[in-house]
This record gives sequence, structure tokens and C-alpha cells, in this order.
Amino acid sequence: DIQMTQSPSSLSASVGDRVTITCRASQGISNYLAWYQQKPGKVPKLLIYAASTLQSGVPSRFSGSGSGTDFTLTISSLQPEDVATYYCQKYNTAPITFGPGTKVDIK
Amino acid sequence: EVQLLESGGGLGQPGGSLRLSCAASGFTFSDYGMTWVRQAPGKGLEWVSLISGNGGNTDYADSVRGRFTISRDNSKNTLYLQMNSLRAEDTAIYYCAKHTSGSYRPSDYWGQGALVTVSS
Repeated sequence: DIQMTQSPSSLSASVGDRVTITCRASQGISNYLAWYQQKPGKVPKLLIYAASTLQSGVPSRFSGSGSGTDFTLTISSLQPEDVATYYCQKYNTAPITFGPGTKVDIK
Repeated sequence: EVQLLESGGGLGQPGGSLRLSCAASGFTFSDYGMTWVRQAPGKGLEWVSLISGNGGNTDYADSVRGRFTISRDNSKNTLYLQMNSLRAEDTAIYYCAKHTSGSYRPSDYWGQGALVTVSS
């Protein structure tokens, strides 16, 4: 099975900072990679799919890139409402696998 | 407006059974694959099972294969998860989620979740 890892596991940044989260697949998954945001006590929300396609309604400060095994989620200017845990997910074949998550908070 | 409403959660005995339901509205249910994802207390997301729009294709995580069964009734716009041989490690919030399209796709809408607690 393909394993998904994320780094860092947590980060603290200031409002306005550029934040980058990395997701790595143990084997190539082309661009079958999604990113989700889960705010404390809330339901996960789809941010990006196909590695770089922004889901409708998601602010443009979020962007995704990568293909194959290495992917990144970037928040261009961190906002207080971005405090959340971010998960990557590979979905091309079963088992569908989520990364362990990256917790983002405000410094 | 897409809505997904889970029900059927609660306390289950080790070795016992529970059935979750997910009532869907606001979209043509039979056109979309559906997924169950769970989240143990304080832990990350774990995919459990998926089913295609017509119900002909299903898949399971190894941790639940042979114990859980996913199904759907497109005439009732409802997704199900039959959970048998429950274990303590099945304790989690169970979310149903709609795929963006077919079977192996991300999930663009999620229900509020149903809490399942397995304990004697």
C-alpha cells in the first residue's frame, strides 16, 4: 500500500506569513492528490484536488502543486481563520489514504 | 444545497453490531460515489469504505474488511454502513462524504458525523 507522509506535523506562523506544507507519497500517484482543511470541532473541507485545482469557493491564498510523489500546499498570506489541521489524501486507488495531518496555528 | 445527515451512531458492545445511515439531498444521489471516513478521538482521518454510484463497486480499508459492509439505496437517497464484530478501536466519529464524481475521487461534501463508541 502507498503511504502518505506530511511535514511538518505542526507549525506556528504569524498573520501574513507564507506557509508551506509538504506531502509525500511512498510511490508515484500522478496528480491524484487532494488537500483538506479541518478546523477544530468542524467537518473536513476540500480545498484542492488534482494536486493543484482549487475547489470552488476556496480563497485564492491557498494553492497546491506537485506530481508523482512530492506535493505542497501553500497559504500565501496566513489569516487567523486558517487555524486548522491540514490533511493530504491520495485517491487514485484503494486504499484511499490520508496523511497524518499538519496542525497550523498563529504565533 | 447538498446535505448529508448521518444517523445510527451510539454505544455498541465489543463483538456487536451497529448500522449507520446517511440521508442525502440536494443532488442526484445515484450519479455520485460515496465514502465513509472515520476519525478516532483526537486522531487523524481514516478512510473506511467507498461505493460507486450504482452500488456495483465497493472497497474497504483492511482494518474493516470482512466486518463492515457498505451499501446504498438509490431509491431512498441513503447510504449505509453495516458494522459487525465491533472492536474498541472502531470508536470514532463516522463521516459520510460525497465524491466529486465517480468511485475514486475526492470528497466535496461531508456530513456532520455520527459518533460510534464501542465499549462494554
